[in-house]
Amino acid sequence: QKEVEQDPGPLSVPEGAIVSLNCTYSNSAFQYFMWYRQYSRKGPELLMYTYSSGNKEDGRFTAQVDKSSKYISLFIRDSQPSDSATYLCAMRGSNFGNEKLTFGTGTRLTIIP
Amino acid sequence: NAGVTQTPKFRVLKTGQSMTLLCAQDMNHEYMYWYRQDPGMGLRLIHYSVGEGTTAKGEVPDGYNVSRLKKQNFLLGLESAAPSQTSVYFCASSPGLAGADTQYFGPGTRLTVL
Repeated sequence: QKEVEQDPGPLSVPEGAIVSLNCTYSNSAFQYFMWYRQYSRKGPELLMYTYSSGNKEDGRFTAQVDKSSKYISLFIRDSQPSDSATYLCAMRGSNFGNEKLTFGTGTRLTIIP
Repeated sequence: NAGVTQTPKFRVLKTGQSMTLLCAQDMNHEYMYWYRQDPGMGLRLIHYSVGEGTTAKGEVPDGYNVSRLKKQNFLLGLESAAPSQTSVYFCASSPGLAGADTQYFGPGTRLTVL
Protein backbone atom coordinates (compact mmCIF):
# COMPACT_ATOMS: atom_id res chain seq x y z
CA GLN A 1 0.00 0.00 0.00
CA LYS A 2 1.31 3.43 -0.93
CA GLU A 3 1.70 6.02 1.82
CA VAL A 4 -0.28 8.51 -0.25
CA GLU A 5 -3.16 7.50 -2.52
CA GLN A 6 -4.59 9.78 -5.18
CA ASP A 7 -7.13 8.99 -7.88
CA PRO A 8 -5.28 9.51 -11.19
CA GLY A 9 -8.43 10.47 -13.07
CA PRO A 10 -8.67 11.75 -15.72
CA LEU A 11 -11.35 14.14 -14.51
CA SER A 12 -13.26 16.32 -16.98
CA VAL A 13 -15.69 19.01 -15.86
CA PRO A 14 -17.43 21.93 -17.61
CA GLU A 15 -16.15 25.46 -17.14
CA GLY A 16 -17.59 27.10 -14.05
CA ALA A 17 -18.08 23.86 -12.12
CA ILE A 18 -16.70 23.18 -8.65
CA VAL A 19 -13.87 20.66 -8.71
CA SER A 20 -12.97 18.41 -5.81
CA LEU A 21 -9.59 16.67 -5.74
CA ASN A 22 -8.63 14.31 -2.93
CA CYS A 23 -5.81 12.32 -1.37
CA THR A 24 -5.72 9.81 1.43
CA TYR A 25 -2.66 8.88 3.41
CA SER A 26 -1.61 6.27 5.93
CA ASN A 27 1.27 7.90 7.84
CA SER A 28 -0.11 9.65 10.93
CA ALA A 29 3.17 11.57 11.29
CA PHE A 30 2.37 13.76 8.30
CA GLN A 31 1.78 17.33 9.48
CA TYR A 32 2.35 19.52 6.44
CA PHE A 33 0.19 19.19 3.36
CA MET A 34 0.65 20.75 -0.04
CA TRP A 35 -0.95 20.83 -3.46
CA TYR A 36 1.22 21.24 -6.52
CA ARG A 37 -0.07 22.01 -10.01
CA GLN A 38 1.72 20.67 -13.07
CA TYR A 39 0.94 21.83 -16.58
CA SER A 40 1.70 19.50 -19.46
CA ARG A 41 5.44 19.13 -20.10
CA LYS A 42 6.30 21.51 -17.24
CA GLY A 43 7.62 21.09 -13.71
CA PRO A 44 5.22 21.16 -10.74
CA GLU A 45 4.59 24.45 -8.93
CA LEU A 46 3.31 24.94 -5.39
CA LEU A 47 -0.36 25.94 -5.30
CA MET A 48 -1.51 25.58 -1.68
CA TYR A 49 0.10 24.80 1.67
CA THR A 50 -1.56 23.87 4.97
CA TYR A 51 -0.32 22.80 8.37
CA SER A 52 -2.18 20.18 10.39
CA SER A 53 -5.98 20.11 10.21
CA GLY A 54 -8.26 22.85 8.93
CA ASN A 55 -9.06 24.89 5.87
CA LYS A 56 -7.11 27.41 3.86
CA GLU A 57 -8.52 29.59 1.13
CA ASP A 58 -6.70 31.42 -1.65
CA GLY A 59 -8.92 32.99 -4.27
CA ARG A 60 -10.83 30.24 -6.05
CA PHE A 61 -8.86 27.50 -4.30
CA THR A 62 -9.59 25.95 -0.90
CA ALA A 63 -7.47 23.27 0.74
CA GLN A 64 -8.91 21.10 3.51
CA VAL A 65 -7.13 18.71 5.83
CA ASP A 66 -8.91 16.15 8.03
CA LYS A 67 -6.19 14.43 10.01
CA SER A 68 -8.65 12.23 11.89
CA SER A 69 -9.66 10.64 8.57
CA LYS A 70 -6.21 11.03 6.97
CA TYR A 71 -7.88 12.80 4.06
CA ILE A 72 -7.03 16.02 2.26
CA SER A 73 -8.96 17.88 -0.41
CA LEU A 74 -8.50 20.71 -2.89
CA PHE A 75 -11.57 22.54 -4.12
CA ILE A 76 -11.55 24.77 -7.17
CA ARG A 77 -14.51 27.13 -7.55
CA ASP A 78 -15.60 28.67 -10.84
CA SER A 79 -13.19 26.42 -12.70
CA GLN A 80 -11.49 27.86 -15.78
CA PRO A 81 -9.87 26.20 -18.81
CA SER A 82 -6.55 27.50 -17.48
CA ASP A 83 -7.02 25.19 -14.47
CA SER A 84 -6.53 22.20 -16.77
CA ALA A 85 -3.44 20.49 -15.38
CA THR A 86 -2.31 17.60 -13.21
CA TYR A 87 -2.70 18.23 -9.48
CA LEU A 88 -0.34 16.48 -7.09
CA CYS A 89 -0.79 16.30 -3.36
CA ALA A 90 2.34 16.17 -1.21
CA MET A 91 3.00 15.87 2.50
CA ARG A 92 5.68 15.47 5.14
CA GLY A 93 6.21 15.10 8.87
CA SER A 94 7.29 17.88 11.20
CA ASN A 95 10.62 16.72 12.55
CA PHE A 96 14.09 17.59 11.37
CA GLY A 97 15.09 15.10 8.74
CA ASN A 98 11.73 15.41 7.08
CA GLU A 99 12.96 17.56 4.25
CA LYS A 100 11.57 14.98 1.87
CA LEU A 101 8.06 15.24 0.54
CA THR A 102 5.89 12.24 -0.28
CA PHE A 103 3.86 12.89 -3.40
CA GLY A 104 0.63 11.39 -4.65
CA THR A 105 0.54 10.14 -8.23
CA GLY A 106 -1.45 13.17 -9.43
CA THR A 107 -4.95 13.72 -10.82
CA ARG A 108 -5.24 14.91 -14.40
CA LEU A 109 -7.96 17.58 -14.67
CA THR A 110 -9.50 19.00 -17.84
CA ILE A 111 -11.90 21.95 -17.77
CA ILE A 112 -14.13 21.93 -20.82
CA PRO A 113 -15.02 25.42 -22.19
CA ASN B 1 16.23 35.10 -12.19
CA ALA B 2 16.25 31.95 -14.27
CA GLY B 3 15.10 29.87 -11.29
CA VAL B 4 15.91 26.20 -11.76
CA THR B 5 17.35 25.13 -15.09
CA GLN B 6 18.09 21.63 -16.35
CA THR B 7 20.43 20.46 -19.07
CA PRO B 8 19.74 18.72 -21.42
CA LYS B 9 16.00 18.90 -22.13
CA PHE B 10 15.93 15.64 -24.11
CA ARG B 11 18.31 12.74 -24.48
CA VAL B 12 18.28 9.29 -26.04
CA LEU B 13 20.80 6.76 -24.76
CA LYS B 14 21.65 3.19 -25.61
CA THR B 15 21.73 0.58 -22.86
CA GLY B 16 25.03 0.73 -21.03
CA GLN B 17 25.89 4.31 -21.95
CA SER B 18 26.54 6.89 -19.28
CA MET B 19 25.43 10.48 -18.94
CA THR B 20 25.17 13.36 -16.49
CA LEU B 21 22.17 15.59 -15.99
CA LEU B 22 22.92 19.08 -14.76
CA CYS B 23 20.67 21.13 -12.51
CA ALA B 24 21.43 24.75 -11.70
CA GLN B 25 19.59 27.21 -9.45
CA ASP B 26 20.21 30.91 -8.97
CA MET B 27 18.09 31.42 -5.83
CA ASN B 28 20.83 30.58 -3.31
CA HIS B 29 18.78 27.64 -2.05
CA GLU B 30 20.27 25.18 0.41
CA TYR B 31 18.30 22.09 -0.56
CA MET B 32 18.24 20.42 -3.95
CA TYR B 33 16.46 17.29 -5.15
CA TRP B 34 16.35 14.91 -8.08
CA TYR B 35 13.05 13.16 -8.90
CA ARG B 36 11.87 10.88 -11.62
CA GLN B 37 8.28 10.93 -12.83
CA ASP B 38 6.70 7.88 -14.44
CA PRO B 39 3.07 7.27 -15.44
CA GLY B 40 1.07 5.93 -12.51
CA MET B 41 4.02 6.30 -10.14
CA GLY B 42 4.05 10.02 -9.47
CA LEU B 43 7.19 11.84 -8.41
CA ARG B 44 9.77 9.61 -6.75
CA LEU B 45 12.80 11.04 -5.00
CA ILE B 46 16.12 9.70 -6.28
CA HIS B 47 18.68 11.67 -4.25
CA TYR B 48 18.73 14.97 -2.44
CA SER B 49 21.16 17.39 -0.86
CA VAL B 50 20.75 19.64 2.18
CA GLY B 51 23.79 21.75 1.44
CA GLU B 52 26.97 22.08 -0.58
CA GLY B 53 29.06 18.92 -0.32
CA THR B 54 26.22 16.79 1.07
CA THR B 55 24.08 14.14 -0.61
CA ALA B 56 21.57 11.59 0.63
CA LYS B 57 19.58 8.73 -0.85
CA GLY B 58 15.92 9.05 -1.60
CA GLU B 59 13.30 6.47 -2.42
CA VAL B 60 14.83 5.08 -5.66
CA PRO B 61 18.62 5.70 -5.61
CA ASP B 62 19.87 2.52 -7.30
CA GLY B 63 21.64 3.08 -10.61
CA TYR B 64 22.17 6.80 -9.97
CA ASN B 65 24.89 8.89 -8.39
CA VAL B 66 24.90 12.57 -7.48
CA SER B 67 27.30 15.32 -6.56
CA ARG B 68 26.88 18.80 -5.08
CA LEU B 69 30.30 20.39 -5.36
CA LYS B 70 28.86 23.89 -5.70
CA LYS B 71 25.81 25.20 -3.89
CA GLN B 72 24.08 26.21 -7.10
CA ASN B 73 24.61 22.93 -8.98
CA PHE B 74 23.35 19.39 -8.44
CA LEU B 75 24.46 16.71 -10.87
CA LEU B 76 22.74 13.38 -11.48
CA GLY B 77 24.79 10.63 -13.09
CA LEU B 78 23.78 7.41 -14.77
CA GLU B 79 26.84 5.17 -15.02
CA SER B 80 25.31 2.40 -17.11
CA ALA B 81 21.88 3.31 -18.40
CA ALA B 82 19.09 0.72 -18.46
CA PRO B 83 15.70 0.82 -20.21
CA SER B 84 14.07 0.99 -16.75
CA GLN B 85 15.63 4.43 -16.38
CA THR B 86 13.53 5.82 -19.21
CA SER B 87 11.64 8.62 -17.48
CA VAL B 88 11.19 12.33 -17.04
CA TYR B 89 13.69 13.69 -14.54
CA PHE B 90 12.95 16.79 -12.49
CA CYS B 91 15.32 18.78 -10.37
CA ALA B 92 14.01 20.98 -7.57
CA SER B 93 15.41 23.33 -4.99
CA SER B 94 14.10 24.84 -1.77
CA PRO B 95 15.34 27.47 0.70
CA GLY B 96 15.85 25.14 3.67
CA LEU B 97 13.90 23.23 6.28
CA ALA B 98 11.46 26.03 7.11
CA GLY B 99 10.69 26.49 3.46
CA ALA B 100 11.33 22.97 2.30
CA ASP B 101 7.74 22.56 1.29
CA THR B 102 8.07 25.19 -1.39
CA GLN B 103 10.12 23.26 -3.85
CA TYR B 104 10.87 25.06 -7.09
CA PHE B 105 11.04 22.66 -10.00
CA GLY B 106 12.96 22.81 -13.23
CA PRO B 107 11.35 22.09 -16.62
CA GLY B 108 12.45 18.46 -16.69
CA THR B 109 14.68 16.23 -18.81
CA ARG B 110 13.06 13.55 -20.95
CA LEU B 111 15.37 10.56 -21.10
CA THR B 112 14.85 7.51 -23.28
CA VAL B 113 17.10 4.46 -22.91
CA LEU B 114 16.94 2.03 -25.82
